[in-house]
Amino acid sequence: DAKTTQPPSMDCAEGRAANLPCNHSTISGNEYVYWYRQIHSQGPQYIIHGLKNNETNEMASLIITEDRKSSTLILPHATLRDTAVYYCIVRPLIQGAQKLVFGQGTRLTINP
Amino acid sequence: NAGVTQTPKFRVLKTGQSMTLLCAQDMNHEYMYWYRQDPGMGLRLIHYSVGEGTTAKGEVPDGYNVSRLKKQNFLLGLESAAPSQTSVYFCASAKQGASSGANVLTFGAGSRLTVL
Repeated sequence: DAKTTQPPSMDCAEGRAANLPCNHSTISGNEYVYWYRQIHSQGPQYIIHGLKNNETNEMASLIITEDRKSSTLILPHATLRDTAVYYCIVRPLIQGAQKLVFGQGTRLTINP
Repeated sequence: NAGVTQTPKFRVLKTGQSMTLLCAQDMNHEYMYWYRQDPGMGLRLIHYSVGEGTTAKGEVPDGYNVSRLKKQNFLLGLESAAPSQTSVYFCASAKQGASSGANVLTFGAGSRLTVL
């Protein structure tokens, strides 16, 4: 699987957009980019995923560069409840169990 | 829908004792997983299952056993608990298939285990 690189920590003011970067320069053509987050002491929560087009849902937007070597997760109006560790994961579509590997992620702190 | 339910939420064991963690999902998912998470670390896969009656080893399987007798349940057992198994355990499930949705895991709230 392609390796991902994320900054260990970021801060953002409440109400502003939080932009979390992820580098995946070795991504293959059949690999998707997935984002999860883990709020303190809770189980990880799926946020969004994409292949090459930008994606948006009720939680966030995902911007993938044209060469697919990096992506940005955008939380448009961050709230204190968005404080969490955010994981960027790259995985292919294969038959069988999807053994996601959660690295260290980015610890996002939303400040009042 | 309850999603993924883990029991118990907390447990304290003495070294050498045995216990079983239960994971139950009501989404008719084929795939189920057990992860552990230690302070300051990411999640590590212990065992997983691709369907009823099947299990496989993950990244850190030693000291654990699992069973998937029913599709909706995935049990994680510790036969002889050790202090190194003190951790938070997360169960997850996902639907089957080579679709992008198969990588969308639904996690439980976690089970915090302390081995003294």
